[in-house]
Amino acid sequence: EVQLVQSGNEVAEAGESLKISCRGSGFTFTFPPNYWIAWVRQMPGKGLEWMGSIYLGDSDSRYSPSFQGQVTFSADTSITTAYLQWSSLKSSDTATYYCARSVHIRSPFDVWGQGTMVTVSS
Amino acid sequence: QSVLTQPPSVSGAPGQRVSISCTGSISAIGGSLDVYWYQQVPGTAPRLLIDANNNRPAGVPDRFSGSRSGPSASLAITGLQPEDEAHYYCHSFISSMGGVFFGGGTKLTVL
Repeated sequence: EVQLVQSGNEVAEAGESLKISCRGSGFTFTFPPNYWIAWVRQMPGKGLEWMGSIYLGDSDSRYSPSFQGQVTFSADTSITTAYLQWSSLKSSDTATYYCARSVHIRSPFDVWGQGTMVTVSS
Repeated sequence: QSVLTQPPSVSGAPGQRVSISCTGSISAIGGSLDVYWYQQVPGTAPRLLIDANNNRPAGVPDRFSGSRSGPSASLAITGLQPEDEAHYYCHSFISSMGGVFFGGGTKLTVL
C-alpha cells in the first residue's frame, strides 16, 4: 500500500526548535518519477495552505512566499523520509501539518499523510 | 481577496445534485492550468477527488465530476449521500503567483 506516515503530535513552547517527519512506503522515493513532497498547514478551524514543496530527486525546495525563511524542508532518501523544521516556534505555528506527494510541483497531491498536530504554548 | 474563491457553504438533500465553484481572481484558471479537487472529512486528511483532465482516482465514485468554464472550475456531486458531508477544496498551481494555491474551502451539508 502506498502511504505517507507522519510523526506523532507535538507540544512545544514558543522559541523552541522542532522537526517533524513524513515517511513514505509502498513506493520508491527517488526512482523515476522522482516525487515532490509538499507540506500543507491547516490552522484550527481553517482551510489548507501550501507551505512549499521539496523535490526528492535533488532536495530542491520551493517555498511559498508566506513561509519563506520561517521553516526548512529536508529529506533523507535513504530512509524515504521528508522533514519539516522550525528553528524558533511561535504560538501562531499551532496547526495540523500534512505532507502530500505529487509527481510534479504542478500536479495534484495524490497521497497524503495522516497529519501531525503541533501545539505551541507561549 | 483569495486567489481561488469558493462559496463558504452549500447544502442539498440526499439524492440531489450540488455544485461547488472555484473562481480565479485572475485569468490563471482560464488558461492552461489545471484545477484539482479534494474532500476532507472532519478529523481526517484530505483525499484527492479529481485530478488532471477531470479524472477520478481509483475508489472515487463516479458521482463526483469536475468541469471548467473560462476563469472558473466546478465540482459536481450527484446523488448526494450522507457520507458526502465534508469540506471540499480546489487547488491549482499558478506560477505567476509563486506556486500552489488552495481555495478557501466549501462546507457541504447534507440535509
